[in-house]
Amino acid sequence: DAKTTQPPSMDCAEGRAANLPCNHSTISGNEYVYWYRQIHSQGPQYIIHGLKNNETNEMASLIITEDRKSSTLILPHATLRDTAVYYCIVRVEGAAGNKLTFGGGTRVLVKP
Amino acid sequence: KAGVTQTPRYLIKTRGQQVTLSCSPISGHRSVSWYQQTPGQGLQFLFEYFSETQRNKGNFPGRFSGRQFSNSRSEMNVSTLELGDSALYLCASSLAELAETQYFGPGTRLLVL
Repeated sequence: DAKTTQPPSMDCAEGRAANLPCNHSTISGNEYVYWYRQIHSQGPQYIIHGLKNNETNEMASLIITEDRKSSTLILPHATLRDTAVYYCIVRVEGAAGNKLTFGGGTRVLVKP
Repeated sequence: KAGVTQTPRYLIKTRGQQVTLSCSPISGHRSVSWYQQTPGQGLQFLFEYFSETQRNKGNFPGRFSGRQFSNSRSEMNVSTLELGDSALYLCASSLAELAETQYFGPGTRLLVL
């Protein structure tokens, strides 16, 4: 699985959009970008994933650059409950097994 | 639908002892993965089971083992506990072996004294 690079931390104002970047310059053509988050003392929570096209669900939007070397997770209206560590993970979908390789993630603090 | 459950939630053991942790996946899910989370090493993959067979294994010593039962419930065992085994142990379940989404449980926090 390709390696990802994320900023270690970032702050965001409540009610504003939070844009979380992720670099995955060695991503392969069949590797998907996944985002999980972990709120303090809880298990990680799936947010969204994508291959090439931008994706949106009720939690967030995922923007993937055309060359797929980087992506941005957008939380459109951050709330205090979005304070968490966000992990960007690249993995091959359909490969045998469900192993996730977590990096250091980005610690997001949403401030009132 | 009930989520992934893990028991016990908290555990205190002493060095040299062994421990067994349990994970009940979401109903209908057949894949169970285990992870260890520590402040120093972050989240690390331990192993994955599907249909009672170990499919993937991380880089952990043989003291760490697991198994899965026919009802998809899984247990992991750590023998001869060391101080460094103190961690949050997380279980995740997926619908199938190639499923795209994993759902995590709340974890078992193990403290080794």
